[in-house]
Amino acid sequence: DIVMTQTPLSLPVTPGEPASISCRSSQSLLDSDDGNTYLDWYLQKPGQSPQVLIYSLSYRASGVPERFSGSGSGTDFTLKISRVEAEDVGVYYCMQRLKFPLTFGGGTKVEIK
Amino acid sequence: EVQLVESGGGLVQPGGSLRLSCAASGFTFRSYWMSWVRQAPGKGLEWVANIKQDGNEKYYVDSVKGRFTISGDTSKNSLYLQMNSLRAEDTAVYYCARAHDSVDYFDSWGQGTLVTVSS
Repeated sequence: DIVMTQTPLSLPVTPGEPASISCRSSQSLLDSDDGNTYLDWYLQKPGQSPQVLIYSLSYRASGVPERFSGSGSGTDFTLKISRVEAEDVGVYYCMQRLKFPLTFGGGTKVEIK
Repeated sequence: EVQLVESGGGLVQPGGSLRLSCAASGFTFRSYWMSWVRQAPGKGLEWVANIKQDGNEKYYVDSVKGRFTISGDTSKNSLYLQMNSLRAEDTAVYYCARAHDSVDYFDSWGQGTLVTVSS
């Protein structure tokens, strides 16, 4: 199984400041057949179901603000928030869908300082 | 508007069975891969099972293989998860999720239904 490791576990942030979350996979998520990287990012706001932010490494899902961006390659990935807003609090998860079983990172809790 | 509404959760004893349902609306159910994802209390997300549009491909996380069965009924626009031989570690909120039609990320989620396995 592909193991997903996120850091940090907790991230206190200041509104208006940038924030960054890292995710590492135990094997490359690049599909050599189609060139896609099967890494997605989800946000679970307090008391809510998860919602997709970024899919296939760097594509913002519909309705997701431009302040969210995804980058990386192979086994190392980053979710960046250019300027954190109060509504961005919650737990962020990376997930790989290159192979079954689909696996999630352990989550990063983002909270306002 | 896409809607996924789970039901069927509750308290069950270890070794017991439960059947979860997910009622889908606002889209053509038979055109999408569907999934179950769970979240133990205070823990992270864990993918449980996937089913292809035609029901001919199903995948499970190892910990539920042989105990859980995912299925769908296109005539009722519904997804199911039959859970047998339940264990305490199956206690979780179970979410129904839809995979995007061409890219397969989870683009819609239900609100979840809580399953508690305890004596």
